[in-house]
Amino acid sequence: KQEVTQIPAALSVPEGENLVLNCSFTDSAIYNLQWFRQDPGKGLTSLLLIQSSQREQTSGRLNASLDKSSGRSTLYIAASQPGDSATYLCAVRPLGQAGTALIFGKGTTLSVSS
Amino acid sequence: NAGVTQTPKFRILKIGQSMTLQCTQDMNHNYMYWYRQDPGMGLKLIYYSVGAGITDKGEVPNGYNVSRSTTEDFPLRLELAAPSQTSVYFCASSRQNPNEKLFFGSGTQLSVL
Repeated sequence: KQEVTQIPAALSVPEGENLVLNCSFTDSAIYNLQWFRQDPGKGLTSLLLIQSSQREQTSGRLNASLDKSSGRSTLYIAASQPGDSATYLCAVRPLGQAGTALIFGKGTTLSVSS
Repeated sequence: NAGVTQTPKFRILKIGQSMTLQCTQDMNHNYMYWYRQDPGMGLKLIYYSVGAGITDKGEVPNGYNVSRSTTEDFPLRLELAAPSQTSVYFCASSRQNPNEKLFFGSGTQLSVL
């Protein structure tokens, strides 16, 4: 059974620091891995999607990498800002039948202080 | 830019009552999903649908029912509400290609007392 783990559960950093969030998964048979952002009381917003054949994706100050063989992904946030404070979730889409749903980690709650 | 719309945003139910959580999307997505999120936990899949008239159970379907009569709508029905169903419920949708991003609604916070 696919399991997704995120470490650490919470992280506090001062503004301007570069940081890395970690995600690991137990089964490498995946279509892709997605990183989401969730603000308190809000829904999830997809930040980056890395297909299984890709190594990384970038969007602005965000860079996500994928090492499928080792079951690991990282989300790198450069020059963090208070507006980056949120919970970040990673999720994998297992290979399988049509419509296979994402399996989520529990998230890392990030707090960036000014 | 409506995207995925969920109603209501908040609801309090008494034990044994029933209700329907509404979800509609205007992106013509074939795939739709219902998740629940409990504090400190990841999202758990309740039901999903790959198109109108087709639904299937996810990881935690007990106590819930769904229907998909149109591409746009995917309501979630709670029968005989129990305190264990207190949670935040999210509806999501995506295109048929598995490498497409998921789009989420803003959620329904449900308390069963």
